[in-house]
Amino acid sequence: GENVEQHPSTLSVQEGDSAVIKCTYSDSASNYFPWYKQELGKRPQLIIDIRSNVGEKKDQRIAVTLNKTAKHFSLHITETQPEDSAVYFCAASLEGGSNYKLTFGKGTLLTVNP
Amino acid sequence: SAVISQKPSRDICQRGTSLTIQCQVDSQVTMMFWYRQQPGQSLTLIATANQGSEATYESGFVIDKFPISRPNLTFSTLTVSNMSPEDSSIYLCSAGQTYEQYFGPGTRLTVT
Repeated sequence: GENVEQHPSTLSVQEGDSAVIKCTYSDSASNYFPWYKQELGKRPQLIIDIRSNVGEKKDQRIAVTLNKTAKHFSLHITETQPEDSAVYFCAASLEGGSNYKLTFGKGTLLTVNP
Repeated sequence: SAVISQKPSRDICQRGTSLTIQCQVDSQVTMMFWYRQQPGQSLTLIATANQGSEATYESGFVIDKFPISRPNLTFSTLTVSNMSPEDSSIYLCSAGQTYEQYFGPGTRLTVT
């Protein structure tokens, strides 16, 4: 089955700096890669996703890049703000398979210091 | 995106008892899933809730322990049976039409 590794496990940045979180996956057939943000005591929220037919996707201050050859994808947050502090999870899925189940990475605790 | 609610939001149960968690979606969805999340940990998929047929369980999870129902395209239940303290966790449902999945707020279960 799919295995997703995520690094780093913790990341501390100063407000205004950029943050990068990286994930690798094992199943070359995976073709859908979402990122979730989970604040303490809250549900995971889908913040951005990318499908394997594109290499990069941006939404305001966040962007995701995908390298299918290397089987890795990354989340980039620019101009970080204290409200970006949360746990971020990457995941991988096979769209169009018998189901769309997600395999999650272990998460990255991002702390943005004012 | 789908709006998902869960009941109860939290519960404290005695070992050996069972708890049924409900997940309600505000629109019809194709896919519904149940996850478990230990404090400070990632999300582990328990099973896919299939409408009109038996759920599909992941390795390490069995139907006798976690029976799941999905009577229609907007509702599912997860039962945690014969509970032990090791079952203390947050249980979340997720739902989506296809690849995009949205999560419910979770049910925080404590087994004493």
